[in-house]
Amino acid sequence: DGGITQSPKYLFRKEGQNVTLSCEQNLNHDAMYWYRQDPGQGLRLIYYSQIVNDFQKGDIAEGYSVSREKKESFPLTVTSAQKNPTAFYLCASSSRTGGSAEAFFGQGTRLTVV
Amino acid sequence: AQSVAQPEDQVKVAEGNPLTVKCTYSVSGNPYLFWYVQYPNRGLQFLLKYITGDNLVKGSYGFEAEFNKSQTSFHLKKPSALVSDSALYFCAVRDGGNKLVFGAGTILRVKS
Repeated sequence: DGGITQSPKYLFRKEGQNVTLSCEQNLNHDAMYWYRQDPGQGLRLIYYSQIVNDFQKGDIAEGYSVSREKKESFPLTVTSAQKNPTAFYLCASSSRTGGSAEAFFGQGTRLTVV
Repeated sequence: AQSVAQPEDQVKVAEGNPLTVKCTYSVSGNPYLFWYVQYPNRGLQFLLKYITGDNLVKGSYGFEAEFNKSQTSFHLKKPSALVSDSALYFCAVRDGGNKLVFGAGTILRVKS
């Protein structure tokens, strides 16, 4: 069953903790993305990666970190420097065919600070 | 840098009536444009895309979109709305690179 798997579905973080959100894809896609979704603000790009061992900051990268050691995996760490981390996080991937390839999304992780 | 505007926070339409969800974009070079739909607490599902060629693009579930280069618009349309079409709709744009930028989303409410 091909697709993108995000885990966990729900995650609770205490103040001052780092947490890591998992994203795995078996679509053999080169490009992967992390977005944050807040009510009324749509999807905002955190980081994206076009190839293994390479990634670029998106529009709201502060307080987040990523790695891309394997083609299939693009984990996102929400650090304690992110002051308002409560949000719905979406991971996506697309094949590297210039700009025309659509992105496929995981089912999301809802992160809540307690 | 590319950007997308969805000027309506919400669109309401009666079942059976045509619907339009608006999108305008800004990008240097040729745009690649996409529409996605999101149901509550779920990821986004791809509906359709414009790459080049015919300005009217047909997609999933009876949706279509019209590309207008002079107006830099890519409006989503459906001839006859269903209650099950009620959801959150996103327009997105990419230039020749891999950065994919989304609009703020439009809530579509279809009433029976």
